[in-house]
Amino acid sequence: DIVMTQSPDSLTVSLGERATINCKSSRSLLYGVNNRNYLAWYQQRPGQPPRLLIYWASTRESGVPDRFSGSGSGTDFTLTISGLQADDVAVYYCHQFFSTPHTFGQGTKLEIK
Amino acid sequence: EVQLVQSGGSFVQPGTSLTLSCTGSGFTFDDYAIHWVRQAPGKGLEWISVISWNSARMDYADSVRGRFAISRDNGKNSVYLQIYSLTSDDTALYYCAKGSLRSGGNQVLLQPFDIWGQGSVVTVSS
Repeated sequence: DIVMTQSPDSLTVSLGERATINCKSSRSLLYGVNNRNYLAWYQQRPGQPPRLLIYWASTRESGVPDRFSGSGSGTDFTLTISGLQADDVAVYYCHQFFSTPHTFGQGTKLEIK
Repeated sequence: EVQLVQSGGSFVQPGTSLTLSCTGSGFTFDDYAIHWVRQAPGKGLEWISVISWNSARMDYADSVRGRFAISRDNGKNSVYLQIYSLTSDDTALYYCAKGSLRSGGNQVLLQPFDIWGQGSVVTVSS
């Protein structure tokens, strides 16, 4: 199974500042045939199901603000949230869909300072 | 509105069985794979199963293989998760989720999840 490891486990950032969350996979998520990274990011607010933010490592889902961006390739990925807002308080998960079983990172809890 | 609506969560005794249902609307249901993901209280997300658009392929996490059975009825726009021999370790919020891509071939089970159900609470306790 592919192990996904996020860092940090929790993060406290001031309103308007930038938050950066990292995700490392135990094997490359880059599929050579289509040159795509099979990596997604989700936001889960308290009491809500997860919401897809980013897929193919850097493609923003429809309706997601451009404050959210994804980067990285192979085994190292980053989710960046710029101009932090109060409703960004949530747990963020990375997810590999390169192979089954699908696996998630352990989650990063983002709080406002 | 594109949505998945879940039903079937319950408080059950160890050793019993349960079936969760997930019904889609607002999209062409039989074009997409459907996944199940669970979240134990206060914990992270655990993928547990997937079924392809035509039921030709299914897969399970090792932690549930042999005790969980996924199926779908495209005529009813529904996917089902049957859970047998429940234990306290199965206590969780269970989500169904729609695969976001009309993947085919060897990619048919490999997509991110763009629509999630509201969740079904399963509590296993004596």
